[in-house]
Amino acid sequence: ETGVTQTPRHLVMGMTNKKSLKCEQHLGHNAMYWYKQSAKKPLELMFVYSLEERVENNSVPSRFSPECPNSSHLFLHLHTLQPEDSALYLCASSQDYWGQNIQYFGAGTRLSVL
Amino acid sequence: ILNVEQSPQSLHVQEGDSTNFTCSFPSSNFYALHWYRWETAKSPEALFVMTLNGDEKKKGRISATLNTKEGYSYLYIKGSQPEDSATYLCALPPNFGNEKLTFGTGTRLTIIP
Repeated sequence: ETGVTQTPRHLVMGMTNKKSLKCEQHLGHNAMYWYKQSAKKPLELMFVYSLEERVENNSVPSRFSPECPNSSHLFLHLHTLQPEDSALYLCASSQDYWGQNIQYFGAGTRLSVL
Repeated sequence: ILNVEQSPQSLHVQEGDSTNFTCSFPSSNFYALHWYRWETAKSPEALFVMTLNGDEKKKGRISATLNTKEGYSYLYIKGSQPEDSATYLCALPPNFGNEKLTFGTGTRLTIIP
């Protein structure tokens, strides 16, 4: 148990659906992250929030929309996704973004887009 | 964007044998390097934080070294066991400059019983 909880663990959605992924941490961390892991590809950083402000947005399509309402919660809103968006989506947190802080990862949401 | 490379991409090792693999990174503006282990169906978990040139860290049968002048870190596993099967990732955290958090491509290790 890493202290980072992601829900749901599995999600199947059609291309016209709207869904949200949720991440929650109670570690008192100030930074939270969304990653995408596609089959046979490296871990891809999508978004970073530090003290509830977005600090990185790595050229992610607008059909992915992050939200960080407070330091403990992070959402990834999904709409009109494509089949190639099927992947494992990981959330992580760290004490701070800057510095040598290691990341604590959730178990991930396995997303399938039909 | 930093170029962080890991080699080999995948590795099969007989149980009981020792093995090692590499993380290569630009040596300029080095700040720190992290190693993570990611077992199938689990979350990635941190193994080591490496900061100083010549650092050597150890955790059980796993150890890591760091050479910041030439830009590489080695991860060693002594006497491999089936539970060592995982993907091993290295990452460079943001360094207060322009460089962003960057993960390597990973080395997938499979231990053959």
